[in-house]
Amino acid sequence: GENVEQHPSTLSVQEGDSAVIKCTYSDSASNYFPWYKQELGKRPQLIIDIRSNVGEKKDQRIAVTLNKTAKHFSLHITETQPEDSAVYFCAAKDFGNEKLTFGTGTRLTIIP
Amino acid sequence: GAGVSQSPRYKVAKRGQDVALRCDPISGHVSLFWYQQALGQGPEFLTYFQNEAQLDKSGLPSDRFFAERPEGSVSTLKIQRTQQEDSAVYLCASTRRRVGSPLHFGNGTRLTVT
Repeated sequence: GENVEQHPSTLSVQEGDSAVIKCTYSDSASNYFPWYKQELGKRPQLIIDIRSNVGEKKDQRIAVTLNKTAKHFSLHITETQPEDSAVYFCAAKDFGNEKLTFGTGTRLTIIP
Repeated sequence: GAGVSQSPRYKVAKRGQDVALRCDPISGHVSLFWYQQALGQGPEFLTYFQNEAQLDKSGLPSDRFFAERPEGSVSTLKIQRTQQEDSAVYLCASTRRRVGSPLHFGNGTRLTVT
């Protein structure tokens, strides 16, 4: 089955700087890669996703890049703000399999 | 227009007790998933329904775990003879259609087994 690894497990960034979180996956058939943000005690919420027919997707301060050859994808947050502090999870699945496999999470702390 | 609703929000059970966790998906969402999230970990897949059919239960950790969705809407996750290692947040998620739809999660049920 799919295995997703996520790094780093914790990340502290000065407010206004950029943050990058990286994930690798094992199943070459995976073709859908969402990112979820989870604040303490709350539900995971989708912030951006990418499908394998594109290499990059951007939504305001958030971008995701995908390298299918190397089987890794990354989340980029620019101009970080205190409200970006949360745990971020990457995930992967292929369209023929409904099971979404999550990484272990990155706790992002924005330092004011 | 409400999101995925789960109840109870918190549940404390003594070891050996049975528990039942409820999930109300978003209206019209065909697919429903249960995930288990241990402290400091990512959600782990438990089981998946498409309408009332349980299509994948490969993630259920033991035969003490049982899920149902008899009318293709509300789902219940039952854990029999709870053990301390069952302590976790149980997340329910739903999607509108089968292919490519994002998961919409509920707030989860935090189960503590003492």
